[in-house]
Amino acid sequence: NAGVTQTPKFQVLKTGQSMTLQCAQDMNHNSMYWYRQDPGMGLRLIYYSASEGTTDKGEVPNGYNVSRLNKREFSLRLESAAPSQTSVYFCASSEGRRGGAQETQYFGPGTRLLVL
Amino acid sequence: AQRVTQPEKLLSVFKGAPVELKCNYSYSGSPELFWYVQYSRQRLQLLLRHISRESIKGFTADLNKGETSFHLKKPFAQEEDSAMYYCALTLDSSYKLIFGSGTRLLVRP
Repeated sequence: NAGVTQTPKFQVLKTGQSMTLQCAQDMNHNSMYWYRQDPGMGLRLIYYSASEGTTDKGEVPNGYNVSRLNKREFSLRLESAAPSQTSVYFCASSEGRRGGAQETQYFGPGTRLLVL
Repeated sequence: AQRVTQPEKLLSVFKGAPVELKCNYSYSGSPELFWYVQYSRQRLQLLLRHISRESIKGFTADLNKGETSFHLKKPFAQEEDSAMYYCALTLDSSYKLIFGSGTRLLVRP
């Protein structure tokens, strides 16, 4: 039982390049989330998926798109990377039986992204 | 807008000393509050939540609605408590978890 897995662990991009961050969970959770973590700012919600087939914007969605591919997988795409998107990205999941944020969220190990 | 404030970036104490990690929030309703912790080389994980009123690893947190605070306390710090601690808030039936900026706790021998 791996929990929440993320790939890649580290990535360097040039400004304007695109990439997709992958996230998968094996806990049969309904809800999944993408956060970014910046120094001195804690974690901020980018997008979330309350259940398979739905996605919604969080606090900082600009410059990102998401896909809930199936119940297990939730990907985050940067279409045209900018230096301001240099950050550590965390994926999380929760059971999703009620308001997801009230439940325990289980986090992945993070992806460190550097945009030059 | 809802906000969570952790005023201390770093809190350094000696082993056996009491610890209080401060958390204040701004929200006019009745939020649910949590403490998440990230130990070195480990994932962010839930430490405790207000609604459960539990004590985990000797830590407790009391919600003070008058002062809009949810401080995390432990009477006797241990070296293994050294970690990054995040206070977080959510609203009823919401999927949005709002985090504070975090406090790094360093427990020295």
